[in-house]
Amino acid sequence: DAGVTQSPTHLIKTRGQHVTLRCSPISGHKSVSWYQQVLGQGPQFIFQYYEKEERGRGNFPDRFSARQFPNYSSELNVNALLLGDSALYLCASRVSRLANTEAFFGQGTRLTVV
Amino acid sequence: GQSLEQPSEVTAVEGAIVQINCTYQTSGFYGLSWYQQHDGGAPTFLSYNALDGLEETGRFSSFLSRSDSYGYLLLQELQMKDSASYFCAVQDTGKLIFGQGTTLQVKP
Repeated sequence: DAGVTQSPTHLIKTRGQHVTLRCSPISGHKSVSWYQQVLGQGPQFIFQYYEKEERGRGNFPDRFSARQFPNYSSELNVNALLLGDSALYLCASRVSRLANTEAFFGQGTRLTVV
Repeated sequence: GQSLEQPSEVTAVEGAIVQINCTYQTSGFYGLSWYQQHDGGAPTFLSYNALDGLEETGRFSSFLSRSDSYGYLLLQELQMKDSASYFCAVQDTGKLIFGQGTTLQVKP
């Protein structure tokens, strides 16, 4: 059974551009969350989606948005990219919203903004 | 604010035992998780404590004291492959709040 898959694995963008990152959760998992991990730090929560609705948002500007599709896959969009957006973007899926369920992470998308 | 404190680096030798401590201060708390991350890789779930006490999974054990807002990860019989970053993370409603991570270096 496939784990959490993210695409692309690496991406280089220019300041001011827009980027879309994609995530496919584990089959049967309905909750998808996005995290940003800057080098040398722990992952920071960006969004949680469950049953196609936003269920939580972290402290990120409105340039960050996301959505979840009927097949539970998800997209993270970032507009007007800044150099500080360079990071590893991680997607995590859970079988449900319950806090005691394990979160499975994908390998991430390494975004470099130049 | 919300914060988790853990040591930035720990060094140990193969076969030894190492303990990584984590103290937390968060507005919500359902439990404490531990994740392992090798360079460039995905965080991998190691353990979860919702109640006080010790949870054991093979060479890894995790402890939680909710009254002290404190937990630790214990790694026994260290192997070279255990060299990685270890994160404690508080489970809040629908999200994980991560610490800054502890880099464990295992030496021969």
